[in-house]
Amino acid sequence: NAGVTQTPKFQVLKTGQSMTLQCAQDMNHNSMYWYRQDPGMGLRLIYYSASEGTTDKGEVPNGYNVSRLNKREFSLRLESAAPSQTSVYFCAGSPRGGSTGELFFGEGSRLTVL
Amino acid sequence: AQSVTQPDIHITVSEGASLELRCNYSYGATPYLFWYVQSPGQGLQLLLKYFSGDTLVQGIKGFEAEFKRSQSSFNLRKPSVHWSDAAEYFCALRSNDYKLSFGAGTTVTVRA
Repeated sequence: NAGVTQTPKFQVLKTGQSMTLQCAQDMNHNSMYWYRQDPGMGLRLIYYSASEGTTDKGEVPNGYNVSRLNKREFSLRLESAAPSQTSVYFCAGSPRGGSTGELFFGEGSRLTVL
Repeated sequence: AQSVTQPDIHITVSEGASLELRCNYSYGATPYLFWYVQSPGQGLQLLLKYFSGDTLVQGIKGFEAEFKRSQSSFNLRKPSVHWSDAAEYFCALRSNDYKLSFGAGTTVTVRA
């Protein structure tokens, strides 16, 4: 039982390049989330998916797109990376539509944009 | 709009001493509140949560938190810290649309 798995764990991009962060969960979670973590700012919600087939913007969605491919997978895409997107990205899942509020996090993906 | 404030960016505590981390929130309804811990290079792990009822909640690893509505606070405490408690701690609030808003975090350093 791997929980929430993110790939890649580390990535270096040049400005303007694109990439996709992958997230998969084997906990049968209905809701999935993408956060970014920056020093002194805590975690900020980029996008979330309350259930399979739905996605919604969070606090900082600009420059990102997401796909809820199926119940297990929720990917985050950067179409044209910018240095401001240098961050640590966390995927999380939550059971029962997120009603409990408890999130289960992956180990993070550290992205550097040069 | 809801918000979560953690006034202390960094706290240093001696091993065996008590620890208290502050969390203040702003929310127009009954809050659902959480404390998460993040060890270096890891994701976040839930320590405890408050939904309703008893205002003193117990969590894992010997932590507890007290909800005080009059002060809009949800402070985290541990009577005696261990070196392994060195980590970053986040307070979070769940809104009615089930999204979590996090505070900026408090880094705890434990000295021998």
